[in-house]
Amino acid sequence: DAKTTQPTSMDCAEGRAANLPCNHSTISGNEYVYWYRQIHSQGPQYIIHGLKNNETNEMASLIITEDRKSSTLILPHATLRDTAVYYCIVSASNNAGNMLTFGGGTRLMVKP
Amino acid sequence: DAGVIQSPRHEVTEMGQEVTLRCKPISGHNSLFWYRQTMMRGLELLIYFNNNVPIDDSGMPEDRFSAKMPNASFSTLKIQPSEPRDSAVYFCASSPGLSNRQFFGPGTRLTVL
Repeated sequence: DAKTTQPTSMDCAEGRAANLPCNHSTISGNEYVYWYRQIHSQGPQYIIHGLKNNETNEMASLIITEDRKSSTLILPHATLRDTAVYYCIVSASNNAGNMLTFGGGTRLMVKP
Repeated sequence: DAGVIQSPRHEVTEMGQEVTLRCKPISGHNSLFWYRQTMMRGLELLIYFNNNVPIDDSGMPEDRFSAKMPNASFSTLKIQPSEPRDSAVYFCASSPGLSNRQFFGPGTRLTVL
């Protein structure tokens, strides 16, 4: 029972920014927004996570709206290797690690 | 850092046989997770351990499935007896505990004939 809603698929031109939206209108105050991706035939890979503030790392940027009901993952210069299924997950943090509930994700196709 | 190691990478067996999947988490990680992925159901959490103790096994489909973590560097997922509907890719992941960043292994593709 995923708590997020994502588009099923998106296309992006190589070299352009890929903006992947995610709705999480029922997010609780202690829940983080996580993004993972799964390249074909591989295990999921962590990308980024955040609570309230926008976050950036070497892979992507995460923009979270002020009301925290939605977020956008930005891949600034998409490459063909970024073609994957991208999962947006909301999850609270606790001392035992946490359970991640994966939904259907967004299948991003980066095209030359 | 070798990452999470899973073995075997591929397993083909016949219905009714016992199947054992193995996982070695990243050294120092104290949480370990088993997932199953199928086209129909997507990626599902089966069970997770913290400090070698099972915390939540509500995702384990039925009594044919069992998981153990005898020490911090090894876990097994066993299916006995296996059925064709158990065919899936099984992923193991580990995390440092306080962080929810999970590191996934390459998966074991199980085919039950």
